[in-house]
Amino acid sequence: DTGVSQNPRHKITKRGQNVTFRCDPISEHNRLYWYRQTLGQGPEFLTYFQNEAQLEKSRLLSDRFSAERPKGSFSTLEIQRTEQGDSAMYLCASSPGLAGTYNEQFFGPGTRLTVL
Amino acid sequence: AQTVTQSQPEMSVQEAETVTLSCTYDTSESDYYLFWYKQPPSRQMILVIRQEAYKQQNATENRFSVNFQKAAKSFSLKISDSQLGDAAMYFCAYSDDYGGATNKLIFGTGTLLAVQP
Repeated sequence: DTGVSQNPRHKITKRGQNVTFRCDPISEHNRLYWYRQTLGQGPEFLTYFQNEAQLEKSRLLSDRFSAERPKGSFSTLEIQRTEQGDSAMYLCASSPGLAGTYNEQFFGPGTRLTVL
Repeated sequence: AQTVTQSQPEMSVQEAETVTLSCTYDTSESDYYLFWYKQPPSRQMILVIRQEAYKQQNATENRFSVNFQKAAKSFSLKISDSQLGDAAMYFCAYSDDYGGATNKLIFGTGTLLAVQP
């Protein structure tokens, strides 16, 4: 197992275009998180999946953002009509979701989005 | 809402010396976790150390230890015998710990640690 992977690692797009990022969690991790990190800031929570169910969304996740996790495996984060303010590092993390114990989140390398 | 504050944007330490990074947090919950994460330049975030709020004993992981003051809502990280590989951005983070919690992480703004040879 090679850990959490994210693709693409870098994305440059023009304002108004749609972009989609992919996250492949560690096998059998049923919890998946998306965070956004802007320059000079700590990561901010965007959304959380338990298996295929999206159980929590941050108010940061505007209507232009949508996330899916079909069949509880990989996840996608789509941003429609991108704005310059969407430029950030988008981080994915997964955890085992075992009951009765702490579940460490393992982070992927992130996708850096630049909106021109 | 829970918040995490790191008041030291940058710190510097000489190799082999000891450095302490500060963190304060705010929460009305009694059960929670606190963490220190390390983010090296262009590398992914990794967990350095974790503290359960119900534990009075401070967590220790090799050269890394914490000073957890629950009443003061303070959670500092001490790095002993600093090494060049310790140079990174360090984030303090908080997570709720109750039945049904998503365990989402709430991060501070980070402290950039430089290690001087």
